[in-house]
Amino acid sequence: DAKTTQPNSMESNEEEPVHLPCNHSTISGTDYIHWYRQLPSQGPEYVIHGLTSNVNNRMASLAIAEDRKSSTLILHRATLRDAAVYYCILFTNDMRFGAGTRLTVKP
Amino acid sequence: GAVVSQHPSRVICKSGTSVKIECRSLDFQATTMFWYRQFPKQSLMLMATSNEGSKATYEQGVEKDKFLINHASLTLSTLTVTSAHPEDSSFYICSAKPGHPNEKLFFGSGTQLSVL
Repeated sequence: DAKTTQPNSMESNEEEPVHLPCNHSTISGTDYIHWYRQLPSQGPEYVIHGLTSNVNNRMASLAIAEDRKSSTLILHRATLRDAAVYYCILFTNDMRFGAGTRLTVKP
Repeated sequence: GAVVSQHPSRVICKSGTSVKIECRSLDFQATTMFWYRQFPKQSLMLMATSNEGSKATYEQGVEKDKFLINHASLTLSTLTVTSAHPEDSSFYICSAKPGHPNEKLFFGSGTQLSVL
């Protein structure tokens, strides 16, 4: 079973920030938190990852709770091209995906 | 950046035939590769974990004699769907795991298999 839970879907308006939550209450001390996104008929693509500290890259920011049992992917200004299914997974020996969050971006 | 190449991107075959899907890591060595299948509007379902030079570990409910996985080198893993049937029609995706969890997972572009 997947070790993460996410809302099934979220909506955002274009050029507004989006906060995508993920719960991973069974995370262990060495598990990295990874985020990927998938467009229709494509393989997933990397978004961001982190261990304990918040992380920023050109695509997004990752905010990790102090107890590491949850994290939030932040898209600072959503565009139509950000519409995708976003997956939060723990980087362990087995890489099982949860259901992910389908993000819809409205113009 | 590192790339995983997956071929073919689309294949149509007759029922009863076998289909081979290749997954190559182009500029890094992947000791571990994963194979997933995905039905429309659903998440990726892990089928098996493939370690170079050893037998693949299959998830519960995945028939190892039907979905043959070979990981003979550090840059190539193959998935062969044997005696394919229409219910095997799906989107198959491979991924390559780097050596350290502080590195990202790389995915192939997927293979859409349609069995007639």
